[in-house]
Amino acid sequence: GAGVSQTPSNKVTEKGKYVELRCDPISGHTALYWYRQSLGQGPEFLIYFQGTGAADDSGLPNDRFFAVRPEGSVSTLKIQRTERGDSAVYLCASSLRKGGDTQYFGPGTRLTVL
Amino acid sequence: QQQVKQSPQSLIVQKGGISIINCAYENTAFDYFPWYQQFPGKGPALLIAIRPDVSEKKEGRFTISFNKSAKQFSLHIMDSQPGDSATYFCAASVEYGNKLVFGAGTILRVKS
Repeated sequence: GAGVSQTPSNKVTEKGKYVELRCDPISGHTALYWYRQSLGQGPEFLIYFQGTGAADDSGLPNDRFFAVRPEGSVSTLKIQRTERGDSAVYLCASSLRKGGDTQYFGPGTRLTVL
Repeated sequence: QQQVKQSPQSLIVQKGGISIINCAYENTAFDYFPWYQQFPGKGPALLIAIRPDVSEKKEGRFTISFNKSAKQFSLHIMDSQPGDSATYFCAASVEYGNKLVFGAGTILRVKS
């Protein structure tokens, strides 16, 4: 079946603007994760959803970052008042369930803040 | 705080050779250690993973060696091929399926 999809694939915005990044997990996967990958680095955890609720948001860097998953499927990562340091690839992953399954990653959204 | 340290940063291997990438961790609560492969413009893809109750796991040309007392684990790619050229990440988590902590990555180039 289809893998994890993320839109847009690229997003260029200006400093101070608001952006939304979308993740469509694999159908039936209940667990969803957001990671951020800066150039030349490994992915860093941001937030994890089990169903509709954020089970762990300890990786969100500050209150400009927020994520939702209202129906337990698609998730949106929202960044307010973007800063140049927010530029990175934002990766989404999903797994069938927490505690016992592989995380499958999407191709990511490359965010560039000018 | 970098909880998983990966080395080397880059590696060049001749076709048919053995590629070895090493990782060390600090958190003794980690109990799941996957390796991911990432090609340019793509997301990471699981290659192979190990739990700390075994010292080695082999899948085809890929082997993970795990040393719990030293808090180290490594990936060995036997008979390396040009198609293996990619960035490799080690990772760790507390509980299988929990959030992953990644190393900084190793860029592997296999010369034909």
